[in-house]
Amino acid sequence: ETGVTQTPRHLVMGMTNKKSLKCEQHLGHNAMYWYKQSAKKPLELMFVYSLEERVENNSVPSRFSPECPNSSHLFLHLHTLQPEDSALYLCASSQSANYGYTFGSGTRLTVV
Amino acid sequence: GIQVEQSPPDLILQEGANSTLRCNFSDSVNNLQWFHQNPWGQLINLFYIPSGTKQNGRLSATTVATERYSLLYISSSQTTDSGVYFCAVQLNDMRFGAGTRLTVKP
Repeated sequence: ETGVTQTPRHLVMGMTNKKSLKCEQHLGHNAMYWYKQSAKKPLELMFVYSLEERVENNSVPSRFSPECPNSSHLFLHLHTLQPEDSALYLCASSQSANYGYTFGSGTRLTVV
Repeated sequence: GIQVEQSPPDLILQEGANSTLRCNFSDSVNNLQWFHQNPWGQLINLFYIPSGTKQNGRLSATTVATERYSLLYISSSQTTDSGVYFCAVQLNDMRFGAGTRLTVKP
């Protein structure tokens, strides 16, 4: 247990489904991040939230929609995904943008 | 953006052996972290080391920021050390290398 909890651990969804990934951090950090890890590719930064405001969106398709209701929670809402979106989605948090990151265990997503 | 290169890409060791993993980066950075990703996908922070040397048990790391590289040393390797080791550097956001996949055989 790292202090960053992600649910669910595994998710299988159809291309027409809508689902949400949840991340919760218990570390008092004020920055949170979504990363995508596909097979044989480096981790890709998707979204950055600092003090509950989005500060970066790395050209992520609109079928991925983040939400940060408070500094402890981060969601990734998914709709009409494609099979190539199957990946491990990792959430991280940090004290601020220039401090070390703590990662959750990830959600392994399979789109069928 | 910053380029992060890790070497070697793959490493196979016999239990008990020592190894050195390298991370080169293309620009000055504020932070550098080493992570271990276990077979279940969990990314565990090993070191937060923007400069200098740190040790934690059988692991140690050295970052020479002026020469833009960092080294991770694993001594007396164990099968539980298997997994992928990532170096990540940060100027604005955190950028990851492609990782070194380590397999330790009994």
